Amino acid sequence: KAGVTQTPRYLIKTRGQQVTLSCSPISGHRSVSWYQQTPGQGLQFLFEYFSETQRNKGNFPGRFSGRQFSNSRSEMNVSTLELGDSALYLCASSQWGEVQETQYFGPGTRLLVL
Amino acid sequence: AQSVTQLGSHVSVSEGALVLLRCNYSSSVPPYLFWYVQYPNQGLQLLLKYTTGATLVKGINGFEAEFKKSETSFHLTKPSAHMSDAAEYFCAVSDRYGNKLVFGAGTILRVKS
Repeated sequence: KAGVTQTPRYLIKTRGQQVTLSCSPISGHRSVSWYQQTPGQGLQFLFEYFSETQRNKGNFPGRFSGRQFSNSRSEMNVSTLELGDSALYLCASSQWGEVQETQYFGPGTRLLVL
Repeated sequence: AQSVTQLGSHVSVSEGALVLLRCNYSSSVPPYLFWYVQYPNQGLQLLLKYTTGATLVKGINGFEAEFKKSETSFHLTKPSAHMSDAAEYFCAVSDRYGNKLVFGAGTILRVKS
């Protein structure tokens, strides 16, 4: 099976712009979670989608949003980019989104905001 | 709220020596505990996890960890370090009602030849 794929792998944006990142989960997986990784704050949970519904949300401002499509692919959007949004954005998938399952992480999208 | 503390942001060991990476957690409910590894420019890979049952958990690449409730610890060990073990290691905790992971700050393991 192919692993979790994320596109694009690298992205450069300027302050005030918006960005959309994409995540394709492992075939058959219906849960997709997103994490932000920065040197200062570490790994932080953004949100989780299951069957096109947001099921869990972390403590991020409303500029961060996401969605999931019927094929389980997920996108996250960040509007009005700030310098502090520069980070590695990781997505992870699992079949049912249950805690005892293994979550499989993609390689991430590295976003640089100038 | 749950939290994870990893003692030591950097750990250096010689090849063949014992690896010990420390993790303490705080959780108001019985936790699920995880160790992940991240190689440069890659995502996270699960090493091992504790959910229920045996408190000594064996994972991939010769790693193991022991859940000690009385000490609220879940330290990661490997008897003999290999150069390929050099990476960043993250301990994480989750409650039993969702799959939101709370990560520690990470420990960078350096293996000297």
